[in-house]
Amino acid sequence: DVKVTQSSRYLVKRTGEKVFLECVQDMDHENMFWYRQDPGLGLRLIYFSYDVKMKEKGDIPEGYSVSREKKERFSLILESASTNQTSMYLCASSPGGSSLHFGNGTRLTVT
Amino acid sequence: RKEVEQDPGPFNVPEGATVAFNCTYSNSASQSFFWYRQDCRKEPKLLMSVYSSGNEDGRFTAQLNRASQYISLLIRDSKLSDSATYLCVVNYYSGGYQKVTFGTGTKLQVIP
Repeated sequence: DVKVTQSSRYLVKRTGEKVFLECVQDMDHENMFWYRQDPGLGLRLIYFSYDVKMKEKGDIPEGYSVSREKKERFSLILESASTNQTSMYLCASSPGGSSLHFGNGTRLTVT
Repeated sequence: RKEVEQDPGPFNVPEGATVAFNCTYSNSASQSFFWYRQDCRKEPKLLMSVYSSGNEDGRFTAQLNRASQYISLLIRDSKLSDSATYLCVVNYYSGGYQKVTFGTGTKLQVIP
């Protein structure tokens, strides 16, 4: 069974802090994704990566950056957290052309 | 126009009923299609892929209509445990990589 692990289930940060969200997958998948999910807006793609050190902007990349130094790990970075980044963050991986496997999410609150 | 559109619901149906959801997509080059299920405060999980010829998995039937650009999910004999949000997902390739688009989901509530 594919396992996608997100480092924190709940996180509370202050405005202006730098925030790191970590995601690790154990199935050697090429593709990894970061989404945020907000009520009424569904899942929105922030960034994705299709190989080590490769990254592509999704639909809402502003205020975020990512890092993929190793195939199994995809990190999302909030450079300076703001209250409008309070959300549920979901990481996913896929072997390409196939369905996504999600981590269990990080609920981030920025105060 | 959104790339993938779903009726948000909620669909409130009695146990044992048959319920169907549709999902329309705008990109005619879309190549693969899926239905996911998401329980409250949980991550989405794959329910089933959608194949051109239609496919069935127990009480669930998925269909694809490429000409009209929609996919559907039919649930027969609804159970209380089917209560969840159902997300449709559309994939296509752009610039050599997979682009995945989610609908906003349709909420189903099965009532006793």
